[in-house]
This record gives sequence, structure tokens and C-alpha cells, in this order.
Amino acid sequence: DQQVKQNSPSLSVQEGRISILNCDYTNSMFDYFLWYKKYPAEGPTFLISISSIKDKNEDGRFTVFLNKSAKHLSLHIVPSQPGDSAVYFCAAQTGTASKLTFGTGTRLQVTL
Amino acid sequence: DVKVTQSSRYLVKRTGEKVFLECVQDMDHENMFWYRQDPGLGLRLIYFSYDVKMKEKGDIPEGYSVSREKKERFSLILESASTNQTSMYLCASSSAGIAGGQETQYFGPGTRLLVL
Repeated sequence: DQQVKQNSPSLSVQEGRISILNCDYTNSMFDYFLWYKKYPAEGPTFLISISSIKDKNEDGRFTVFLNKSAKHLSLHIVPSQPGDSAVYFCAAQTGTASKLTFGTGTRLQVTL
Repeated sequence: DVKVTQSSRYLVKRTGEKVFLECVQDMDHENMFWYRQDPGLGLRLIYFSYDVKMKEKGDIPEGYSVSREKKERFSLILESASTNQTSMYLCASSSAGIAGGQETQYFGPGTRLLVL
């Protein structure tokens, strides 16, 4: 049972435009949602997170939106840059456990 | 600067061999994790540990075991490697932090294992 889903395996966006990566979840007990970025041959690196009591968190070019009623979150990157090309993983955590549940990832390609 | 290191970047092993993957973190983190990453499946948790000598099964523990004799080191063991264990293996660590709080996991660079 996939509790965290990323339904788009890939996304291509032109440099300077907005990238929107989506994530859906089924477990209403999740307290935190995190986005990780992964380059080839490297481990994932933490990008941004949001608590379930908030609906938006912004950090520079990156904004995460959470819609609890729809069990949906999205990561907005604006403006997109070629260096943003990577695989993005959505992950979720409950407050009572340290482990993360990851989605399957979305490969973002930012073209010139 | 936080650091998680893994003993090998690439490994090639034969079916039936016993395989050891080592992970070391220098952040004094309580929690350590082993994942595997496969195309289309994302990151799946194999085992994790909250403390020295403690371990808990993740979502796909079959065919694996772990060892945590020291706080900074977490080993993943493939008792008898099989071809379906060919994968990218990622180690991570996190601080226990405050109860109920978000815990950020820090990842190593990964070990790409090929079982022939």
C-alpha cells in the first residue's frame, strides 16, 4: 500500500518558468512532509518541509503548499534553473516515529 | 558540516555471497536507517535503529540483517546475496530531537550493488 504517491514520474520545464511537483498521501496521521532532492550518484539532500498544521512554507525559490482536506501537497520552484534538474522525493513522517515514508520520485528536467 | 559516509560506492558480488555494507555518521545521531532505491519504487526502508544494539524492521527486511555495535556505525548485511538485491543502497541518520518534532534525515552518497 503506497501511502505517499508521486504520480508524475517526470516533468520538463523551461528555465525561468515555474516547476510544480505534486504529491498525494493517504495516511491522515502524518505530521510532517518533507521534500528531498537527489542528483545522480549522490544521496538525497533535504530541501524544505512543512508541518501538517500549516498550509504554506517558503524558502527562497522553493515553496511547499499543503492541502490537508485533499491530502495533497506540492512543491513550487520559481524561477526554475538548470541546476534544479534532479529527482525530487516527497516524504512524510508522523510525530511519534522517526522513520520517513517516501514517494516514488519525480524527475525534473529544466531546459534552456 | 554533517557527514554520512558509506564504505563503498560500487560493489559487484556473486549470488550466494555474504555482503557487508558499512555506514558511519559523525553527527552523534541516535537514529540510523538503511534504504534501497529502485527505479519506479522510490526509497524503501529496509531496517532502522534508534540506539546502539537496537534495530527495527522497515518495510522490506527480508533477506537482510543489520548490526549497530557503536552509535556512529550501522551495518547492513546481505546473508546470501541474490540478483534481486541488485540496487542502490542508501544510509541515513537523524537526531532524535524533541518528542513529536520533525526529524530531518541526512543521507550518505549511496552504494550501488550489482549481484551477478
